[in-house]
Amino acid sequence: GQSLEQPSEVTAVEGAIVQINCTYQTSGFYGLSWYQQHDGGAPTFLSYNALDGLEETGRFSSFLSRSDSYGYLLLQELQMKDSASYFCAVRGGRDDKIIFGKGTRLHILP
Amino acid sequence: DAGVIQSPRHEVTEMGQEVTLRCKPISGHDYLFWYRQTMMRGLELLIYFNNNVPIDDSGMPEDRFSAKMPNASFSTLKIQPSEPRDSAVYFCASSLNPSYEQYFGPGTRLTVT
Repeated sequence: GQSLEQPSEVTAVEGAIVQINCTYQTSGFYGLSWYQQHDGGAPTFLSYNALDGLEETGRFSSFLSRSDSYGYLLLQELQMKDSASYFCAVRGGRDDKIIFGKGTRLHILP
Repeated sequence: DAGVIQSPRHEVTEMGQEVTLRCKPISGHDYLFWYRQTMMRGLELLIYFNNNVPIDDSGMPEDRFSAKMPNASFSTLKIQPSEPRDSAVYFCASSLNPSYEQYFGPGTRLTVT
């Protein structure tokens, strides 16, 4: 079957760097996506990795290691507005399933 | 484009009633997804369509749930009869590629009393 694991909560200080990890188990892996969701809002797309390595988009970067079935989202120069939940998602499996992780709630301290 | 449109934004109904949620995807997107989000279970994929055809409906909880996509610009998720445990936020999303970026609608907050 498919599964995703990510920490339920992470706390960091404004201006710092934080890494949110995601490990997955699936067959027929297509890629790993990351989404951000603020309280009361809808998930919004942040990044996608299909190949190994680091993808950078402004203050946010995402990394993938297919051999380790592992990825992470790196947030730099944290701002209070980055307080949100972050979800990793994968597509794969014999039945072409799409699953989201349970989400990591990021708390940012001033 | 206005993005993914969902209606209603809020729905309060009594147990046993039929509920119909509506979604208009972004024009040109071939994939449409229905999700349910609760604190306990997180974000769950219920069903997704490709070119109006259901691809994976294994996430549909039970026969009380049904989804249709009669054309490329409209989809419905129906719950009949509704139960209190169906209370959740239901999101519709669309994309050009299911592995890549999905655009989510604002969601419908359903409360079944």
